Amino acid sequence: KQEVTQIPAALSVPEGENLVLNCSFTDSAIYNLQWFRQDPGKGLTSLLLIQSSQREQTSGRLNASLDKSSGRSTLYIAASQPGDSATYLCVVRETSGSRLTFGEGTQLTVNP
Amino acid sequence: DAMVIQNPRYQVTQFGKPVTLSCSQTLNHNVMYWYQQKSSQAPKLLFHYYDKDFNNEADTPDNFQSRRPNTSFCFLDIRSPGLGDAAMYLCATSRDGRGRTNQPQHFGDGTRLSIL
Repeated sequence: KQEVTQIPAALSVPEGENLVLNCSFTDSAIYNLQWFRQDPGKGLTSLLLIQSSQREQTSGRLNASLDKSSGRSTLYIAASQPGDSATYLCVVRETSGSRLTFGEGTQLTVNP
Repeated sequence: DAMVIQNPRYQVTQFGKPVTLSCSQTLNHNVMYWYQQKSSQAPKLLFHYYDKDFNNEADTPDNFQSRRPNTSFCFLDIRSPGLGDAAMYLCATSRDGRGRTNQPQHFGDGTRLSIL
């Protein structure tokens, strides 16, 4: 059974810092990995999707990497802003079917 | 413009009184999902429709059912809500080829259900 772990569970940084959120998964037979952002009381917004054959994806100040063999992904946020404060979820899609496995999330607070 | 719309945003019902949550999508996606998310936890998949095919998760309580009358709409019915069913319910869609997809899921803003 696939398990997804995110470290740290919570992170508080001053504005302007570069930061890294970590995600690990137990079964490397994945189809893709997706990073979502969730604001309080809201649904999930897709940030980046990395296919299993890719090593990284970039969007603006965000960069996500994938090392399938070691079961790890990182989300790098450059020059953090207070508006980046949210919970970040790492989600793995398995190679069979449409099942997604979610991590518990990292709650990020960027202080002005 | 919202592409996955959930109504209502907040729903309050009484213990044991049936409740229906709705989800509609303008993306014409063939797969629709319902997730339950409790406070500070990851979303938990309840079931999904692949086109018209209903796929129930093994640990989804019998109390929870779903209907998908057409591509655009999907409903979550809770027959006899208990206090433990208070949660955020998230609807999501994706465009999938069976078993092989790299398309992202799109989520609605959720319905927060409270049980009195």
